[in-house]
Amino acid sequence: QKEVEQNSGPLSVPEGAIASLNCTYSDRVSQSFFWYRQYSGKSPELIMSIYSNGDKEDGRFTAQLNKASQYVSLLIRDSQPSDSATYLCAVRDSGTYKYIFGTGTRLKVLA
Amino acid sequence: EAGVTQFPSHSVIEKGQTVTLRCDPISGHDNLYWYRRVMGKEIKFLLHFVKESKQDESGMPNNRFLAERTGGTYSTLKVQPAELEDSGVYFCASSQFRAGMNTEAFFGQGTRLTVV
Repeated sequence: QKEVEQNSGPLSVPEGAIASLNCTYSDRVSQSFFWYRQYSGKSPELIMSIYSNGDKEDGRFTAQLNKASQYVSLLIRDSQPSDSATYLCAVRDSGTYKYIFGTGTRLKVLA
Repeated sequence: EAGVTQFPSHSVIEKGQTVTLRCDPISGHDNLYWYRRVMGKEIKFLLHFVKESKQDESGMPNNRFLAERTGGTYSTLKVQPAELEDSGVYFCASSQFRAGMNTEAFFGQGTRLTVV
């Protein structure tokens, strides 16, 4: 059973700090990784995708991928209260193309 | 451009009744996925269509669930008869199909199903 693991949190950070969200996955051959943000009662919203080892930056968000360690992370710089949400890590199965989700990490940014 | 749309947004039905959920993917997206989130659990895969064909239905819980995608456009997910444990939020997602290339999936707003 291919798995994606996340710490459920909550992760509390003060406004303006860096929030660091982590995810590990079990399928060594996975190539595609995604971070979704989900506000309470809303649908998951894609915020980052990453396919190559290293860092990918988009505004205040940086995704980091280390395939050797089977680890993907999301950094949110200058965290704002509006960033408070559940962040879902998803890995696309290389064989079936389905997306496998972690349980999500609940982030609270304290004003 | 319209995103993924789902109907209804909420449904409350009695145990034993039938419910049909609908998903309209983003235009041009051949991949269509159904997922379900039960309270406190992760989003679980149900099945995957490529156009009108079922590519993977390994996540369907049992034969009370039937998904269709006639014509490769919108999809329906029917639960018949519904049981209490079927309660949850059903999400639909779609993505482009480009062989050998990475594509991103976009989600609908979900249907919250409550079986009482």
